Amino acid sequence: DGGITQSPKYLFRKEGQNVTLSCEQNLNHDAMYWYRQDPGQGLRLIYYSQIVNDFQKGDIAEGYSVSREKKESFPLTVTSAQKNPTAFYLCASSRTGDGYNEQFFGPGTRLTVL
Amino acid sequence: DAKTTQPPSMDCAEGRAANLPCNHSTISGNEYVYWYRQIHSQGPQYIIHGLKNNETNEMASLIITEDRKSSTLILPHATLRDTAVYYCIVWYYNQGGKLIFGQGTELSVKP
Repeated sequence: DGGITQSPKYLFRKEGQNVTLSCEQNLNHDAMYWYRQDPGQGLRLIYYSQIVNDFQKGDIAEGYSVSREKKESFPLTVTSAQKNPTAFYLCASSRTGDGYNEQFFGPGTRLTVL
Repeated sequence: DAKTTQPPSMDCAEGRAANLPCNHSTISGNEYVYWYRQIHSQGPQYIIHGLKNNETNEMASLIITEDRKSSTLILPHATLRDTAVYYCIVWYYNQGGKLIFGQGTELSVKP
């Protein structure tokens, strides 16, 4: 089945540690996105990539880093510089082009920093 | 900032139509209206989108006013599984694929 996978579903880390969240898609989509969601809030864009080896900062990129070495993969690293990393992280992918931006979302990773 | 305004919560009786309004008074001519929903602790799910004309698919109908300043998502026969937060989003491809999620409407379908 085609889709987006995120792992792990729950992640616990100590304060000051970097942590990398995985996102893989087999939908052959060019674009991939990372969002953060805090309790009771909408999603906020962290980073997005429209093509391999290229990515752009979203609205809240500080303290995060990404890479896009393969079309299928878009890992997100939460660094120790992120002041409040505990949140629900969602990865999405889509085709690109005019008039079409149905984004497919993964199941999410809930990160808790202790 | 989100370019849409939605009521924070709504209730609907099971089996009845759920009509979710959205105001997007500053929408420009080439921006689409998208609807997503998010069931608790899951990733959002695409529902439907439209530009000018009303749209219908297997999940819902989207009614856009003639001036495009508002729209309504209609779930024709709501079930308990439709309980979720519904997001109305305006989007154009030159935004680089960015979807700006507001607070959405929390729909509670009650038996």
